[in-house]
Amino acid sequence: NAGVTQTPKFRVLKTGQSMTLLCAQDMNHEYMYWYRQDPGMGLRLIHYSVGEGTTAKGEVPDGYNVSRLKKQNFLLGLESAAPSQTSVYFCASSYSSGTGGKDTQYFGPGTRLTVL
Amino acid sequence: KNQVEQSPQSLIILEGKNCTLQCNYTVSPFSNLRWYKQDTGRGPVSLTIMTFSENTKSNGRYTATLDADTKQSSLHITASQLSDSASYICVVGPWGAGSYQLTFGKGTKLSVIP
Repeated sequence: NAGVTQTPKFRVLKTGQSMTLLCAQDMNHEYMYWYRQDPGMGLRLIHYSVGEGTTAKGEVPDGYNVSRLKKQNFLLGLESAAPSQTSVYFCASSYSSGTGGKDTQYFGPGTRLTVL
Repeated sequence: KNQVEQSPQSLIILEGKNCTLQCNYTVSPFSNLRWYKQDTGRGPVSLTIMTFSENTKSNGRYTATLDADTKQSSLHITASQLSDSASYICVVGPWGAGSYQLTFGKGTKLSVIP
């Protein structure tokens, strides 16, 4: 079991360039999430998915798009990168949404993105 | 606005010593509280999850306590090891909401030195 994997691990972009971050999980989880982590701030949710073919906006969705064509994959796209998107991006997955508080989110190793 | 405040921001302790990290939250109504450990350059890993009805939860040398009345939680680490050096993140979930509505604290950075 690889758990949650992310590619690439590092990337440097120029302002205006586009890229896609790939997240894959092999735990058959329904729920997947994209977070960003910035210095001095807690993790913030960008987008999430409650199942194959469905996505929804999180707290900070502007400038990002996502797709969940397959249950095991969740893609995060930046159409026109900006320096404000310099961050560490984490993907996570969980078996359920945990409205009862019993779910666990499993995180990937992160992608460190720098936008110049 | 829901907030999670953690203290101290950073902490240095000697190997073998105990320590306690604090978390105060304003999330209301409250459902659950989680503690995560994040090693440098890695993703967070879940340590404990407590619902509003639980007062304490242990995971090896890690013990989390929760006082839902005062909206406070603590994470106690016993007999610290060098591998405990990491950031510890407190996360709170509101009542009736899914895990896509969690509020994350900024974390406490713990350094364990020989």
